[in-house]
Amino acid sequence: QKEVEQNSGPLSVPEGAIASLNCTYSDRVSQSFFWYRQYSGKSPELIMSIYSNGDKEDGRFTAQLNKASQYVSLLIRDSQPSDSATYLCAVSVIGANSGYALNFGKGTSLLVTP
Amino acid sequence: EAGVTQFPSHSVIEKGQTVTLRCDPISGHDNLYWYRRVMGKEIKFLLHFVKESKQDESGMPNNRFLAERTGGTYSTLKVQPAELEDSGVYFCASSHVGLDLLYFGPGTRLTVL
Repeated sequence: QKEVEQNSGPLSVPEGAIASLNCTYSDRVSQSFFWYRQYSGKSPELIMSIYSNGDKEDGRFTAQLNKASQYVSLLIRDSQPSDSATYLCAVSVIGANSGYALNFGKGTSLLVTP
Repeated sequence: EAGVTQFPSHSVIEKGQTVTLRCDPISGHDNLYWYRRVMGKEIKFLLHFVKESKQDESGMPNNRFLAERTGGTYSTLKVQPAELEDSGVYFCASSHVGLDLLYFGPGTRLTVL
């Protein structure tokens, strides 16, 4: 079973702090990694994708990938109460007929307190 | 540009009944995916269409589930007969190219009593 593991939280950080979300995956051949944000009762929304080892920054968000350690993380700088949501880590896997699909973690609940 | 739409938003049925879920992807998106989230579990892949063809249906739980994508446009997912364990939120997602920029619909919450 190819798995994606996340700490379910909740992770509570004060407004303005850095939130650090972590994810590990089991499929060594995975090549694409994504972070989705999901507000309660809403659909997942893509916020970051990363394909190469190292860091990728987009505004207040930084994704970090270490394929040797099979580890992906998401840093949110200057956290705002509006960042409070569940953050889903997703990893590409090769499915039947050489198609690609996403394996998701259960998500980490983030709460940013004013 | 309209996003991915799904209908109905909620469905409550009794065990043994049939339910059909519909997904309208973003116009021009050849890739259409169905995912399901059962309470307490992670979102799980069900199947993947490329245009009207099933690229990968390895995630379909059993033969009570049937997905179609007529003319490569909208897709339906039929559950017949429904069982209690089929309850969950069914998400549809579409993309122009593969997994990049995958847009999710709002989901259909299915409750089987």
